[in-house]
Amino acid sequence: KNEVEQSPQNLTAQEGEFITINCSYSVGISALHWLQQHPGGGIVSLFMLSSGKKKHGRLIATINIQEKHSSLHITASHPRDSAVYICAPNPTGSARQLTFGSGTQLTVLP
Amino acid sequence: DTGVSQDPRHKITKRGQNVTFRCDPISEHNRLYWYRQTLGQGPEFLTYFQNEAQLEKSRLLSDRFSAERPKGSFSTLEIQRTEQGDSAMYLCASRSGLANTGELFFGEGSRLTVL
Repeated sequence: KNEVEQSPQNLTAQEGEFITINCSYSVGISALHWLQQHPGGGIVSLFMLSSGKKKHGRLIATINIQEKHSSLHITASHPRDSAVYICAPNPTGSARQLTFGSGTQLTVLP
Repeated sequence: DTGVSQDPRHKITKRGQNVTFRCDPISEHNRLYWYRQTLGQGPEFLTYFQNEAQLEKSRLLSDRFSAERPKGSFSTLEIQRTEQGDSAMYLCASRSGLANTGELFFGEGSRLTVL
């Protein structure tokens, strides 16, 4: 059983749509990262959160520790948002490493 | 600050050859991580350094793999006697602070193709 489940695996949206990507995990965590990966491989950290909600521009990340669930929202999506979005919880029992989801491939069409 | 840099970005080699990747983390970051990522999958943990000490290694890291961080700054990941199954993107990341805190910064990755 995967420790981290992301949904959907693939998502195609029209420009301007509101996007939601979900992440469920099975372990206790101290924090959770949302990462963005563009073609070519580079990964950018979007958020690190341990409770509640964070907002950066058009991106919003929420987490519910009790339900072991996090969501990433993109408002007014744009083709440049097209990328793979990866959820990465930091398990409390593992002080040193993250557990990664397999990612959600988002394509935003103009 | 130039961020985390990795070299080379791409490497094509024949099976059986040795390859070495280098990672230069953000200068004040004491924690450095190596990950491997294959197509369509999330990154998988390989190994972790705190300063020059290699504190954790994944079972994925066979005896053909070795990583070093001799002065607590840059790190190298060497793969000996490469196999086709080693073809992947090798990612380096660094962060500062306590074990479970601090934003993680990734390099662009080194893509290995073993023919």
